[in-house]
Amino acid sequence: NAGVTQTPKFRILKIGQSMTLQCAQDMNHNYMYWYRQDPGMGLKLIYYSVGAGITDKGEVPNGYNVSRSTTEDFPLRLELAAPSQTSVYFCASSFVVSVKGEKLFFGSGTQLSVL
Amino acid sequence: AQKVTQAQTEISVVEKEDVTLDCVYETRDTTYYLFWYKQPPSGELVFLIRRNSFDEQNEISGRYSWNFQKSTSSFNFTITASQVVDSAVYFCALSDLTTSGTYKYIFGTGTRLKVLA
Repeated sequence: NAGVTQTPKFRILKIGQSMTLQCAQDMNHNYMYWYRQDPGMGLKLIYYSVGAGITDKGEVPNGYNVSRSTTEDFPLRLELAAPSQTSVYFCASSFVVSVKGEKLFFGSGTQLSVL
Repeated sequence: AQKVTQAQTEISVVEKEDVTLDCVYETRDTTYYLFWYKQPPSGELVFLIRRNSFDEQNEISGRYSWNFQKSTSSFNFTITASQVVDSAVYFCALSDLTTSGTYKYIFGTGTRLKVLA
């Protein structure tokens, strides 16, 4: 059971380049999330999805796009990378079935530098 | 608005000391969940505990204990007899029911704990 798998682990981009961060989970979780972690700022929610075909913005969505064509995959797209997007990105998933909070399962993170 | 505050940015203790990490939250919901996650130097985030808003009993798990007080909107985490392996960043989080009926999670800014040998 792999859990939540993120690729790549590290990436350096030049300003203006684009890339996709991959995230896959094999736990049949309905909810998936993308967070970014900046030093001393905690985790900020970028986008989340409550199921295939359904996505919604989080706190800091500008400069990013997502799609959820399958239950398993939730890629994060960066268009026109900017230095402000230098961060560590975490994908997470959970199985939400009713009015309660379920714990999040996190991927190992992607360290992205935009130079 | 929902908010989680971890006022302690960094704490340093000597091994075997007890240490308490503070977490204060704000929410308009009557039903909510609180969480603690640990992020060791390797970077992954590890779930430690979940507590719902109707259960104010303290919880103990080995050297870890949690004190949940709705009256002060706090969910503090104590490590007894700290060890070097406890060195990590600890995050408190709150489940947030959105207006569309979906769930997201609000994280605090984290407390970096350094346990010195």
